Parts: sequence; structure tokens; C-alpha cells
Amino acid sequence: SQTIHQWPATLVQPVGSPLSLECTVEGTSNPNLYWYRQAAGRGLQLLFYSVGIGQISSEVPQNLSASRPQDRQFILSSKKLLLSDSGFYLCAWRRVDSPLHFGNGTRLTVT
Amino acid sequence: KQEVTQIPAALSVPEGENLVLNCSFTDSAIYNLQWFRQDPGKGLTSLLLIQSSQREQTSGRLNASLDKSSGRSTLYIAASQPGDSATYLCAVERYLFFGTGTRLTVIP
Repeated sequence: SQTIHQWPATLVQPVGSPLSLECTVEGTSNPNLYWYRQAAGRGLQLLFYSVGIGQISSEVPQNLSASRPQDRQFILSSKKLLLSDSGFYLCAWRRVDSPLHFGNGTRLTVT
Repeated sequence: KQEVTQIPAALSVPEGENLVLNCSFTDSAIYNLQWFRQDPGKGLTSLLLIQSSQREQTSGRLNASLDKSSGRSTLYIAASQPGDSATYLCAVERYLFFGTGTRLTVIP
């Protein structure tokens, strides 16, 4: 069966520090991968999606970037965090026309 | 750009009641629609996926319908239970734009 791993579960970082969140999927190949952010009291915002290795599409211009160095690995990064980057970050995967499956999320607090 | 709206934002019902959650979207040219539940502080769990060629999907006490022409989907929950308490979100394709969710509380 397929599983998705996302880490860390929680993270507290100072303003201006770098960020790296990792997501891996097991049990499938060539999945579509997604990064979402959920700010307090707001809906899910699609940040990045990828349909293949090295292929990244950005939905919202911001302080973040994403990379897909391997088929089942998706990384969310920032060179310098802002206070507004605080939120709940969720990684997800799917095959075309199949349900979207989420990881357990990373709660990021920028201080 | 696609906009997805969910009404009501919050709902409280007594245990055993049947209820309907609504999802509307502005661009009817969607592929699929998916319903999720999210428990506090957790990720999202997929409930039902309605493909563009379908009009409804059922799973246990849940039934979701899709009317693309009117830009609407409904999630029907039969015989609600306290364990159904969560936030329910709908998402439309392409690119899976999410609504802001309906926070459901089922009172024992």
C-alpha cells in the first residue's frame, strides 16, 4: 500500500533562517506531488505541484521554493523565513483521476 | 481563477440528524471534485472523489453529488454521530483548489 511521510511534525524557526521540509511517498511511482499551506483560520492554499522529477509549478509567488530531486521526494525550502511564513504545511500525492492523499503536516512557527 | 465556497462555515447538530454540506465553485469546467475531512491539527483524509463523468458517489453514510452546470456539490451525512465532528473541505480540479471548509459539531 502507498504511504506518505512528512517531517518534521513541528518546527520553530527564527525570522531570516532557512527552511527545509521533506516529503516522501512509498508504494507508487511517478505520483503527482503537492505542497499546500493552511494559515490559521484560512483555507488550504496550493503552493507548488509537480508532475515529474524536476518539474515544479508555482501557484503563488512568495518566499518559498520547491524541488523534486527524486521521483517520490518533494522538498519545500526557503532561504530566509518571514513571520508570514508561519502556518501548517501539508504535502500530498495522487495518481491522475485518483484521490488526493495527504501527509500529517508540519506546523511551522516563525518567531 | 477558480473560487470555491463552502456554506455554512460552521454547523452544530444533535446526534442522529441527517445533514447537508454545500460546496460551490465559480468555474464549471472542472475535472473532478473531492471531499475531505480534517480533524484538529491533523492532515486531511479523503472521503469521496467524484469524477467529471459522474454525478454522485456513496460511501457508507456519506453521499456526495456533483452538478457541474450549476457549479455545486453537496455532501450528505446520514444519521450523524459525534465521531463525525470535524472540518469538511471540498476541492475542485484542476490543481485542486480548496474551499475554506465547514466545521461540523455533532452533539451527543
